[in-house]
Parts: sequence; C-alpha cells; structure tokens
Amino acid sequence: DGGITQSPKYLFRKEGQNVTLSCEQNLNHDAMYWYRQDPGQGLRLIYYSQIVNDFQKGDIAEGYSVSREKKESFPLTVTSAQKNPTAFYLCASSPWGETQYFGPGTRLLVL
Amino acid sequence: KNEVEQSPQNLTAQEGEFITINCSYSVGISALHWLQQHPGGGIVSLFMLSSGKKKHGRLIATINIQEKHSSLHITASHPRDSAVYICAVLGTYKYIFGTGTRLKVLA
Repeated sequence: DGGITQSPKYLFRKEGQNVTLSCEQNLNHDAMYWYRQDPGQGLRLIYYSQIVNDFQKGDIAEGYSVSREKKESFPLTVTSAQKNPTAFYLCASSPWGETQYFGPGTRLLVL
Repeated sequence: KNEVEQSPQNLTAQEGEFITINCSYSVGISALHWLQQHPGGGIVSLFMLSSGKKKHGRLIATINIQEKHSSLHITASHPRDSAVYICAVLGTYKYIFGTGTRLKVLA
C-alpha cells in the first residue's frame, strides 16, 4: 500500500528531553513537510524539505530540528528548547508544489 | 486577520440536511484544498480545486477565483460526516490553512 506512516501515534515526553517523531513515505515524493496543530488554530508549517539532503525552516521552526538523509524519511526532533511542545504533529509529502498527502499524525504530550 | 477564513466555526445539523461550509482567502493561490479530519486526527484529502466545481458522491466543492471564495457542500448529511473540515490554499509551495469547521450531524 502506498502512503505515509507516522509513529508512534501517541508519545509522552518528560520536560527537558528530546524526542524524535518518525515519518516515512513510499509515494516516491520529493517533498516532505512537518506541521503542528494546536486547538483552535490552523496547521502551521515547522520544516519542509524539497529534496533529499535539503530542508528549510517553516513558520515555527524554533525548538525543532529535522534531517532528510533518505527520500522516504523525514524525522522531526522536538528539542528541549521547544517551550510548548504538547501538540498534534502531522507529516505530509508531495511532488514539489502539488497536492500534499498527510500521514495519520502523532500526538505528543509533555509530562 | 487570517489569510484563510472559514465559516461557520461550528455547525450542528440533523441527518439529511444540506450543509454548506465557506472559505474565503486573501492571498494569491495556485489551488485550494478541502480536507477532512476525523476525531482520531488523521487527515483525508477531499478535493483539490483551481477553478469551477467538483463532485464526489454527496460532496460538492466550488471555487470562485475572482471573489477568492470556495464552498464545500454536503447533500443528505449523515452522522458519519461528523468531522472537522479544513480549507487550505496552496501558494508557490506552501499551504495556508483555515482553522477548520467542526461539523456534527445528529441522527
């Protein structure tokens, strides 16, 4: 089946810890994206990658880091510098500039 | 003011009713996307529009580029249509999302 997978579905983190969210796609898409969703707000772009070994900051990149070593994978690390990390995180992929396909999301809760 | 505005924010309907959700935007776009998000959080793509009208089953989406406005209609609504409906506009590479319309259809 072609699609985007995110793991885990729920993730708990202690304050001060880094945590990495996984995103994998087998759609052969060049571009991948990370979004954050908070209650009552639209999705906001954290980072995006147009192509392997390249990525750019989105609107709310502070406290996050990414890597794009493989076309299929775009992991997001939520660092301890992110002051309010509790949110729903969505990964997407697309041919560059075209319709984006979304993963099922990871809900991160800081304890 | 948000660049993408949706109305209403919340909507409750009785099963069988005709439903309209509106989206207005203030930026130049290459396309507009209607998305559906169920309580579990996963997002499903409904329509991608750059002009005119599209229909899929009981769902109809229209866009008026000159007026910078799109509508999503659901005919003969059903409780399984209960979800959050999100309008997103696509610029050069980036989506700008509306805050969503929370729809609840009662049996």
